[in-house]
Amino acid sequence: EVQLVESGGGLVQPGGSLRLSCAASGFTFSTYWMHWVRQAPGKGLVWLSRIKGDEITTNYADSVKGRFTISRDNAKNTLYLQMDSLRAEDTAVYYCARGAYLAYYMDVWGKGTTVTVSS
Amino acid sequence: QSALTQPASVSGSPGQSITISCTGTSSDIGAYNYVSWYQQHPGKAPKLIIYDVSNRPSGVSNRFSVSKSGNTASLTISGLQPEDEADYYCISYASSSTYVFGIGTKVTVL
Repeated sequence: EVQLVESGGGLVQPGGSLRLSCAASGFTFSTYWMHWVRQAPGKGLVWLSRIKGDEITTNYADSVKGRFTISRDNAKNTLYLQMDSLRAEDTAVYYCARGAYLAYYMDVWGKGTTVTVSS
Repeated sequence: QSALTQPASVSGSPGQSITISCTGTSSDIGAYNYVSWYQQHPGKAPKLIIYDVSNRPSGVSNRFSVSKSGNTASLTISGLQPEDEADYYCISYASSSTYVFGIGTKVTVL
């Protein structure tokens, strides 16, 4: 069964850092683009970033460029999101999603992990 | 990277058809046939219902259909059913290799 499980969320103070993880199983992880998407409480979905299977090629939304870093470890079948200089407006549920093979949409999503930025 | 424009809410009675518009620009919807749609029930992860403008994944009802013209894509739900009550989001691939979501539309079945 194809599965994505996020972890690493929690409460962090403004200005702090947090690293999210997304454990993948049931598919050949290294051949897929992987994405991070977030959803603030009561708000809509926002695309944040994606990383190619080569572990090198990345893209970011302007809103997080320079503060968030996406990475992956294909040997561990795990996707990461390093979040620095966190602000209250970063409070959200963070989802990882698989980019469909050779396509431009996300076909499998995790259940999300909650990040709360507050003092 | 401004969010795509969707109506905040749309409602309809069971059996009716409703349409949700998703308007972008010539840098996203107008430039690519890479628009997808997601359904999200409260507290749940988004579920893919349409990809590449008008294709449905296996298992998704054919009551969902999409059209695209210029910078606007439109999702039609025909034969509205109670389980269709959810939030719906469009998303498009965009220039600079990024993606942009719509603001989301809450569908209410009256």
